[in-house]
Amino acid sequence: NAGVTQTPKFRVLKTGQSMTLLCAQDMNHEYMYWYRQDPGMGLRLIHYSVGEGTTAKGEVPDGYNVSRLKKQNFLLGLESAAPSQTSVYFCASSYSIGGVDTEAFFGQGTRLTVV
Amino acid sequence: RKEVEQDPGPFNVPEGATVAFNCTYSNSASQSFFWYRQDCRKEPKLLMSVYSSGNEDGRFTAQLNRASQYISLLIRDSKLSDSATYLCVVTSSGGYQKVTFGIGTKLQVIP
Repeated sequence: NAGVTQTPKFRVLKTGQSMTLLCAQDMNHEYMYWYRQDPGMGLRLIHYSVGEGTTAKGEVPDGYNVSRLKKQNFLLGLESAAPSQTSVYFCASSYSIGGVDTEAFFGQGTRLTVV
Repeated sequence: RKEVEQDPGPFNVPEGATVAFNCTYSNSASQSFFWYRQDCRKEPKLLMSVYSSGNEDGRFTAQLNRASQYISLLIRDSKLSDSATYLCVVTSSGGYQKVTFGIGTKLQVIP
């Protein structure tokens, strides 16, 4: 019963390097999200997807790209990492957005440091 | 003004105490409300949904006040294991259904 799995869990990048964070869910959820969490800022939505083949921008999309080629996977890419992208990244999925009984399930997070 | 505002705390309370957190939201069209719990260096997990009529789950009670645009979380008989950060979450419509997290309120229960 894996739920939402993120890889990698930790990563250190040099400025300008690129990387991809992988999120996989086994709950057949339509909706998937990428958030970043910074001290004093709370969780902020980067990009989200409402189904396979769809993506949309969230609150802080600049510097990131995403893809949802398969329903169970949601990839977050950093093309040219910057120190401002040092953060903890969380992936989440849900059956739908909103609704009284909609629960978002989160992955364990990826701690990214850009030096 | 932030869409969802919470007092970041920390709230330091003794074991057995009752503690309450409030969260205010700015969008009067907000539709759904939740409390999530986040332990240190862990992912957020749903604690409870907040219904218009209020709801209770053991020692936890959540209330919604639409007129004043706030939700509350009451924890009775605090346990050491309740120490965590409590995140207020609000969903609203507008182009897409938007899910907004508060910055969280840190609770530390002291022996």
